[in-house]
Amino acid sequence: EMVMTQSPATLSVSPGERATLSCRASQSVSRNLAWYQQKPGQAPRLLIYGASARATGIPARFSGSGSGTEFTLTISSLQSEDFAVYYCQQYNNWPRTFGQGTKVEIK
Amino acid sequence: QVQLVQSGAEVKQPGASVKVSCKASGYTFTNYGISWVRQAPGQGLEWMGWISAYIGDTNYAQKFQGRLTMTTNTSTSTAYMELRSLTSDDTAVYFCARVGAVAGTWGDYWGQGALVTVSS
Repeated sequence: EMVMTQSPATLSVSPGERATLSCRASQSVSRNLAWYQQKPGQAPRLLIYGASARATGIPARFSGSGSGTEFTLTISSLQSEDFAVYYCQQYNNWPRTFGQGTKVEIK
Repeated sequence: QVQLVQSGAEVKQPGASVKVSCKASGYTFTNYGISWVRQAPGQGLEWMGWISAYIGDTNYAQKFQGRLTMTTNTSTSTAYMELRSLTSDDTAVYFCARVGAVAGTWGDYWGQGALVTVSS
């Protein structure tokens, strides 16, 4: 089973600052990677698919990069509504697997 | 607009089964698949499996093999997830998500979640 490892587990960032989240796959997933945002009590929200394509309605401050085993989600200037937990998910291999999540909290 | 509306919360005894529904609207149901993802209290997301609403193919995570069944009813645009032999470890919120029809890709629309509590 493909293991997805996210780092850091928690990221403390001030509003307006840049946040960089990492996701590493145990083997290559090509560019078959998605990022989701989840707030307490809500369903996950798709941010990025294909490693770098923004989903419909996602602000340009969210960007994804990487391929193979190393991926990055960057939030260029954190807004109050961006404080949440972020998950990566690979869809290159069965079973599909998620990372354990990165919590972005207010510094 | 695309919507996935799930059935309500359930409380089950250990050893019982649960069947959660996910009714789709706002798109052609058979052009996509449905993945099921669960989240135990305070934990991360766990992918359970996928079903193609187009061809009915399924793929389940190994840990659920033998006690998980996913089905669809194309006439009502509804997907179902049945989990049997429940234990307290199955207490979680269960989400459905719209994904690719040929292979379970990214989930672009999600249901609101259904809390399943397993307790005696």
